[in-house]
This record gives sequence, structure tokens and C-alpha cells, in this order.
Amino acid sequence: NAGVMQNPRHLVRRRGQEARLRCSPMKGHSHVYWYRQLPEEGLKFMVYLQKENIIDESGMPKERFSAEFPKEGPSILRIQQVVRGDSAAYFCASSPPGTSGPGNEQFFGPGTRLTVL
Amino acid sequence: GNSVTQMEGPVTLSEEAFLTINCTYTATGYPSLFWYVQYPGEGLQLLLKATKADDKGSNKGFEATYRKETTSFHLEKGSVQVSDSAVYFCALRTGANNLFFGTGTRLTVIP
Repeated sequence: NAGVMQNPRHLVRRRGQEARLRCSPMKGHSHVYWYRQLPEEGLKFMVYLQKENIIDESGMPKERFSAEFPKEGPSILRIQQVVRGDSAAYFCASSPPGTSGPGNEQFFGPGTRLTVL
Repeated sequence: GNSVTQMEGPVTLSEEAFLTINCTYTATGYPSLFWYVQYPGEGLQLLLKATKADDKGSNKGFEATYRKETTSFHLEKGSVQVSDSAVYFCALRTGANNLFFGTGTRLTVIP
């Protein structure tokens, strides 16, 4: 069973461009979480999605950032008009259906490292 | 609110030395506690977890005990190896679905 897949692994954008980060959860997983890791910091929660629904976006910046998890295909984190401060590692995690309890595990992907020039 | 405070690194140890990485937390509600490990260039992997007070999580020689009275979840290993070199993150999760992470502690083990 393949793990959580993220692509691209590295992404370079110039200021003002758009960045699209993709996450394919583990097979059978219907919950997806996005986290951001700024240099020398821990991961910070951004958004939690289930298929076709955003459940919790309390960690998402109010502007330029959006996320989706369509019925078919990967979850997408989209950053419009990127700025240098968006440079970070973005991690996706997934968990199976029926695992919203606090003790259940989230499985992480390898991350996408975004660099904004 | 929810937060995790971790011992600052980096930590450098010789092989076979004893490891302790301190972690304390504040939480609304009754959290579950986790240690994740991040090897170079990779994503986070769950190392161990504990879901209630006095539980001990253990894996690969690492241990951590959920101490409610001191709000702590310190990570320990009796004899570290070079292959343990990585960044270690303490995290908690309450009734919400997301994890709250500490800032991470980089461990380097030298032969």
C-alpha cells in the first residue's frame, strides 16, 4: 500500500505566480490535512478536508490560499500571487474514514518544498 | 489554547549515549500525545503515542510517558545510534482533528 504521495517535491516560483501543490492520500483514506512548516519552526495546521468538503480551515490565511479535495483525484493546495513569505515546506497527511478521534494516527507525505524567488 | 513546548536543539550525542528530549504542553480538554520523527528529506513518521494519563508509548527503543500532573511527555532512549539522527517533534491532539506541534529538536548522533 503506497503511502501519502505529494508532488512536486520541490517547486520554485517567482513572486506573483501561482503555486499548486498536490496530495494523494493513502488508499482508502478520505480525510486530508495540510500543514505548513516554516524554516526552523514546527508544523502549523492549515486545513482539514474530507471528500468534496472543507471541514476546518481555521489555519488557512484569509487571502490567496485555497484548498480542495474533489470526489476524484488528489487534494490540491493552491497559493495565488505567491510572496517570499510563502516559502516553506507544505505537508499533507491523511487518515481513514471514521478516525476523527484524538488518538488516531495521521500519515504524512514527504512534503513539497516551495521556494519563492 | 493548545500548545507544545519542546527542548531547543540541536542536540549532539555520541553513539550509545542516553537521550532525553523534553516536551511539555498546555491543552484544552484531554489531549492525546505523540512523538513524530523526520529523517532528512522525508515526511514525518509517527514514532509513538499515548492517549491517556500514565500511558507509556514505546517504539524502536524510544519511550515516553504521559504525565498529566506535570503536563509532560518527555522522549527517552537508553542508547542512541547514528541512524537515530533526525528531527523529533512532540505533538498533541484534542477533540479537534488537527495536530499541534512543537518546534522540533534536531538530534545528531556521532560515531
